[in-house]
Amino acid sequence: EVQLLESGGGLVQPGGSLRLSCAASGFTFSTYAMSWARQAPGKGLEWVSVISNSAYTRLYADSVMGRFTISRDNSKNTVYLEMNGLRAEDTAVYYCARGGQSTGRFDPWGQGTLVTVSS
Amino acid sequence: DIQLTQSPSFLSASEGDRVTITCRASQGISGSLAWYQQKPGKAPKLLIYAASTLQSGVPSRFSGGGSGTEFTLTISSLQPEDFAIYYCQQLNSYPLTFGQGTRLEIK
Repeated sequence: EVQLLESGGGLVQPGGSLRLSCAASGFTFSTYAMSWARQAPGKGLEWVSVISNSAYTRLYADSVMGRFTISRDNSKNTVYLEMNGLRAEDTAVYYCARGGQSTGRFDPWGQGTLVTVSS
Repeated sequence: DIQLTQSPSFLSASEGDRVTITCRASQGISGSLAWYQQKPGKAPKLLIYAASTLQSGVPSRFSGGGSGTEFTLTISSLQPEDFAIYYCQQLNSYPLTFGQGTRLEIK
């Protein structure tokens, strides 16, 4: 079964940092692009970042450019999202998902991890 | 950036009804559109990709159509488990974008 499991969310103060992880299983991780998306409380979905299968290409939404860094470790079947300079507006459930433009879809999605930025 | 506008934003319908949700793109995206269903407290679930390809395991009462700038998601006969929020997503170019969502509720 294809599965994605996020971890690393929590409460952080404005300006703080957090590192999210997404562990993949059930498929050949190294052959897929991986994405992060988020959903603020009661709001819609927002794409955050994508990393190609080889990590050669990394793209970001304007809202997180320069503050967030996506990376992956194909030996550990894990994708990461390093978040620095966190703001209240970054408060959201963060989802990792398999795919991007190259696959034409996000499937599956992880269960999500909640990041709360508050003093 | 490509903007996606879903209509309606809210839809009230009864079990057994046929409903259609529309997603309009601010510029042409060929057939690079996906549809997702999200239930409260859960992650989105892929229903349709490439505008009209039904994801494996998704009931055949769901169908997608369109190309260019106008797309539709149709549910042929609503079942109780279909009441949820539906999102379209364009994967034609980065940044990837989502529609604002359509909340489908029981009448």
